[in-house]
Amino acid sequence: QVQLVESGGGLVKPGGSLRLSCAASGFTFSDYYMNWIRQAPGKGLEWVSYISRSGTTIYYVDSVKGRFTISRDDAKNSLYLQMNSLRAEDTAVYYCARGEYGITATATWYYYMDVWGKGTTVTVSS
Amino acid sequence: SYELTQPPSVSVSPGQTASITCSGDKLGDKFACWYQQRPGQSPVLVIYQDSKRPSGIPERFSGSNSGNTATLTISGTQAIDESDYYCQAWDSSTVIFGGGTKLTVL
Repeated sequence: QVQLVESGGGLVKPGGSLRLSCAASGFTFSDYYMNWIRQAPGKGLEWVSYISRSGTTIYYVDSVKGRFTISRDDAKNSLYLQMNSLRAEDTAVYYCARGEYGITATATWYYYMDVWGKGTTVTVSS
Repeated sequence: SYELTQPPSVSVSPGQTASITCSGDKLGDKFACWYQQRPGQSPVLVIYQDSKRPSGIPERFSGSNSGNTATLTISGTQAIDESDYYCQAWDSSTVIFGGGTKLTVL
């Protein structure tokens, strides 16, 4: 079945680094945009980054630009998030999600995330 | 930057209709989608492209989008629908989430 499994979370000190991974199965990974979304304790969802099918288009939320790097390895059906210079405010559950992106006949762009993993917890604390 | 605004909470009695709104500037010119997140679980897509339901989502979930407001409607609300709901749109090549609405069924 279609599945996303995140790993790599943990406890890290401020200024430290972590690399999150997301293993995909049950679908053709290379056909899809992929995303990282996070949720701080007791807070709402915050989109963090996405990477296009080819890996040529990448976007980040402003708060992580210059610190986080998204990448993918289609041969391994895997998505990654390298997180450097971590701050307390990066503490969250990090979800990997599959993105559907396209344009309709009426020339309206759409983007939604139809498959989500269970998440991995990142805690930044001294 | 583009913003989506949702009411923090909505209450509904079992069997009644719940409506959750999502407001944004000219949101009707974009596509909106909705996610359900039960406590302790990952989000699940319940509506995409304003009004389409993914496979496996009950027919009681429906959506609309016009003007500045997208609406998620749950007809015949059940206790299992008690969750947080998030709207989402696409703007300037980035993903925008609303702040979320806690639906209470009482």
